[in-house]
Amino acid sequence: QKEVEQDPGPLSVPEGAIVSLNCTYSNSAFQYFMWYRQYSRKGPELLMYTYSSGNKEDGRFTAQVDKSSKYISLFIRDSQPSDSATYLCAIFMDSNYQLIWGAGTKLIIKP
Amino acid sequence: KAGVTQTPRYLIKTRGQQVTLSCSPISGHRSVSWYQQTPGQGLQFLFEYFSETQRNKGNFPGRFSGRQFSNSRSEMNVSTLELGDSALYLCASSPQRYTGELFFGEGSRLTVL
Repeated sequence: QKEVEQDPGPLSVPEGAIVSLNCTYSNSAFQYFMWYRQYSRKGPELLMYTYSSGNKEDGRFTAQVDKSSKYISLFIRDSQPSDSATYLCAIFMDSNYQLIWGAGTKLIIKP
Repeated sequence: KAGVTQTPRYLIKTRGQQVTLSCSPISGHRSVSWYQQTPGQGLQFLFEYFSETQRNKGNFPGRFSGRQFSNSRSEMNVSTLELGDSALYLCASSPQRYTGELFFGEGSRLTVL
């Protein structure tokens, strides 16, 4: 079993839809949870960074962490074609500086 | 503020050759980490450097090596290239030790023929 599981997709939705991207993890010691966005032929860029369980909102993006279920989500409201990219979850444990990456979900927003 | 700069952006090598990739981190960032990204394996950690010392290493053979200079710039080297080394090599920097909050360059795309 991988430490972080993420469905690679692709996930195709119409413009304006609410998108839900998810990851599950196995190690309850993980402390920090990140979402990165990667456009084709570019490096990943950090979108959201959370520590505790609950929600964190930034514009159209909401990151949700449920530590009891070991489940993290990224919601995108009013999705735009420019949101088409690969979204990677990453989880960090500072006791050993270990950063574990999900496989990335390819998201396609159809105009 | 300039972002992370990686050179070269694209390169083609043949099996058995060696390659050196360069990374200039964001000004003031002291930690540099390297990743290999392939469609099949995703993003895989190679190593992290902080204050010119390798602090963490991923599960890659000894053909993969790196170093960091006093100005925080970093290089990675792959010797005796294999076809399977074809990948996008990404460099990321962060202000302090590897925190998960990384700033990536656009990568160096290596093709091994």
